[in-house]
Amino acid sequence: EAQVTQNPRYLITVTGKKLTVTCSQNMNHEYMSWYRQDPGLGLRQIYYSMNVEVTDKGDVPEGYKVSRKEKRNFPLILESPSPNQTSLYFCASRWDRVTGELFFGEGSRLTVL
Amino acid sequence: GNSVTQMEGPVTLSEEAFLTINCTYTATGYPSLFWYVQYPGEGLQLLLKATKADDKGSNKGFEATYRKETTSFHLEKGSVQVSDSAVYFCALSPPTGFQKLVFGTGTRLLVSP
Repeated sequence: EAQVTQNPRYLITVTGKKLTVTCSQNMNHEYMSWYRQDPGLGLRQIYYSMNVEVTDKGDVPEGYKVSRKEKRNFPLILESPSPNQTSLYFCASRWDRVTGELFFGEGSRLTVL
Repeated sequence: GNSVTQMEGPVTLSEEAFLTINCTYTATGYPSLFWYVQYPGEGLQLLLKATKADDKGSNKGFEATYRKETTSFHLEKGSVQVSDSAVYFCALSPPTGFQKLVFGTGTRLLVSP
């Protein structure tokens, strides 16, 4: 089954405690991306990756890091989480190179206290 | 720049009512346009898409027509069901460079029996 898998789905942590949200896709997609969803703001892109070892900033990259060492994995790293990073995070991979259509994971809800 | 504007929600309807959710966009050239749906506790799923002017996307009884002259992509359904209750996102993919989808803020639809 084609899917994008994120872990953890839910996490409560404290300010400053490093955490990683993993993302894995089994569709051999080159392009992957992270979004955050906040009420009234819709989805905003954090980082994206066009291929292995190629990453770039989206609209709201501050406070986040990513890596793309393998094609299937694209982890999101919060080195020192802060409460303003409390959000719902989505990983996505590109389904259609022509239209840009994305295939989304189920989301990871992060709370930073 | 590229942007998407959606009508504010929530939209509250009775079952079998007619649905319209307005979406307008700003973009250079001819973007691809999408409607994504997010059911409670789930990730985003593609509902329908249109890749050029006057195209009509349709799926599950929902329709949207790509109107270049009015820069709109309004979502319609003739008879909504309780199971259609969800958040609907309009999005565009710029015609050059597919670094990201640009999303609207989402419109929550609540359908009562």
